[in-house]
Amino acid sequence: GAGVSQTPSNKVTEKGKYVELRCDPISGHTALYWYRQSLGQGPEFLIYFQGTGAADDSGLPNDRFFAVRPEGSVSTLKIQRTERGDSAVYLCASSLRAGGIDTQYFGPGTRLTVL
Amino acid sequence: DAKTTQPNSMESNEEEPVHLPCNHSTISGTDYIHWYRQLPSQGPEYVIHGLTSNVNNRMASLAIAEDRKSSTLILHRATLRDAAVYYCILKGNTPLVFGKGTRLSVIA
Repeated sequence: GAGVSQTPSNKVTEKGKYVELRCDPISGHTALYWYRQSLGQGPEFLIYFQGTGAADDSGLPNDRFFAVRPEGSVSTLKIQRTERGDSAVYLCASSLRAGGIDTQYFGPGTRLTVL
Repeated sequence: DAKTTQPNSMESNEEEPVHLPCNHSTISGTDYIHWYRQLPSQGPEYVIHGLTSNVNNRMASLAIAEDRKSSTLILHRATLRDAAVYYCILKGNTPLVFGKGTRLSVIA
């Protein structure tokens, strides 16, 4: 079956611009996660959704970052007034539920470059 | 968050078994031990998970110490495709918390 997909695969933008990154989770998965990965580091948690609501947004670095999942399926990560430090690979994952036993399935990521 | 400790890197010869260790002395009774791996330029990929008993699947085996303070991921015959960063993660009802993992190199 189809896995987690993310678009675009690459995004180059200029400092100060607004960007949107999209994630299509596996059908039927109620939990959706966003992570950010800088070069040489492990993925860093940003936010996760259970259904339509953000269950934990403690990883968002500041109020320039926002994410939505209006219908409990597709999610969009939005970054306002981008900065060079936002350059990273943004990973999305989904799981059937959000418990300790649940496996997360990751997408290929979106590589964001802020010039 | 419960933390894990892994070696930064390991090396293995192709077709040899590989034992990747992980220490997690602060594990709580409800934490599952998950292993993920990340191949170059890809998102992380689930490998295996367990709670108390040893586990086997088509990819690997997971050996969990009796006191649960450590575990070992076992790849029975390493191939070049197993070269990746392997992450050991303790998971409750929370998102995954990744450390730096162990970078496994496989030599032909």
